[in-house]
Amino acid sequence: TQLLEQSPQFLSIQEGENLTVYCNSSSVFSSLQWYRQEPGEGPVLLVTVVTGGEVKKLKRLTFQFGDARKDSSLHITAAQTGDTGLYLCAGPGGVNAGNNRKLIWGLGTSLAVNP
Amino acid sequence: EPEVTQTPSHQVTQMGQEVILRCVPISNHLYFYWYRQILGQKVEFLVSFYNNEISEKSEIFDDQFSVERPDGSNFTLKIRSTKLEDSAMYFCASRAQVSGANVLTFGAGSRLTVL
Repeated sequence: TQLLEQSPQFLSIQEGENLTVYCNSSSVFSSLQWYRQEPGEGPVLLVTVVTGGEVKKLKRLTFQFGDARKDSSLHITAAQTGDTGLYLCAGPGGVNAGNNRKLIWGLGTSLAVNP
Repeated sequence: EPEVTQTPSHQVTQMGQEVILRCVPISNHLYFYWYRQILGQKVEFLVSFYNNEISEKSEIFDDQFSVERPDGSNFTLKIRSTKLEDSAMYFCASRAQVSGANVLTFGAGSRLTVL
């Protein structure tokens, strides 16, 4: 069974600090996605990482996919209060599944950035 | 920006009652999904739908659940006889047919409370 474990589960920091959250699995994923979810809303896709070792940047957010494609990290530089939210990682169920693959999700990291 | 629309945003029902959750996917999308998120738990895949039939369903999606795309625009999830444990946020998602990509757009969710 493919599982995604995210850590930490909760993180509370001051505005301007840097942080890293993690998404780990014992299984290989063909790709991993990071989503941000705000209360009362659905998850919103931030990025998809596909190649082992890949690094993608989205303004102050840096996403990395592990070389073995079993883990990923999200680093936020100089966090802002607007970064507050639940960060979820998700990956397709099955390495060689077809285009209509379901997504398997982590539990998420709930980030609070305090002014 | 195109969005997935879900109704109702919140429904309260008595155990044993039928519930229909409605979704209007993005108009040119071809793959449709229902996920649910029980409070404090991971997002869980329920069912995927393509070409007017179910592509894949999870163990959660038993005989009490059904999906339908009645008119080419709506995509509905029906729960025939709700149980207390069906209380959750239900998210609809849709995806365009983009080769190799798994970019889902999620609706804001329907919160179902079963009393």
